[in-house]
Amino acid sequence: QKEVEQDPGPLSVPEGAIVSLNCTYSNSAFQYFMWYRQYSRKGPELLMYTYSSGNKEDGRFTAQVDKSSKYISLFIRDSQPSDSATYLCAMSAGGSNYKLTFGKGTLLTVNP
Amino acid sequence: KAGVTQTPRYLIKTRGQQVTLSCSPISGHRSVSWYQQTPGQGLQFLFEYFSETQRNKGNFPGRFSGRQFSNSRSEMNVSTLELGDSALYLCASSRDRGRGETQYFGPGTRLLVL
Repeated sequence: QKEVEQDPGPLSVPEGAIVSLNCTYSNSAFQYFMWYRQYSRKGPELLMYTYSSGNKEDGRFTAQVDKSSKYISLFIRDSQPSDSATYLCAMSAGGSNYKLTFGKGTLLTVNP
Repeated sequence: KAGVTQTPRYLIKTRGQQVTLSCSPISGHRSVSWYQQTPGQGLQFLFEYFSETQRNKGNFPGRFSGRQFSNSRSEMNVSTLELGDSALYLCASSRDRGRGETQYFGPGTRLLVL
């Protein structure tokens, strides 16, 4: 079983739709949870960062972490064609184990 | 503030050759991590450097190595290249390596091994 599982999609939605992206994980040591957005031929760009369980909102983006279920989500409201990209979840245990463990990414297309 | 820069952006090599990739972190950032991204395996951690010392290493063979200089710039080297080393190599920097530090990625170096 991989440490982080993410549905690769692809996911195609109409403009204005609410998008839900999810990851599950198996390592209970993970405490820091991130969502990155990666456009084609570019490096990942940090979108959201959350510590431990809870919700965090930033504009049209909401990140949720449920550590009891080992499940994280990213919601995108009023999706735009410019949101079309690959979305990667990433996690870290922090401390001396500083590396990020990534999901494989979900390819999202928002159609005008 | 300038972001993470990586050079070169594209590289073509043949099997058996070696390659060196360079990464300049965001000014003031002292930790540099390297990742390999392939369609099949996704993003995988290679190693992390902080204060010129390797602090963490992923599950890659010894052909993959790196170093960090006193100005926090980092290089990674791959010797005896194999076809499977074709990938996007990403560098990420963070201010420190304590709890909660976020990593910011560069645009990557796309390596093609023929």
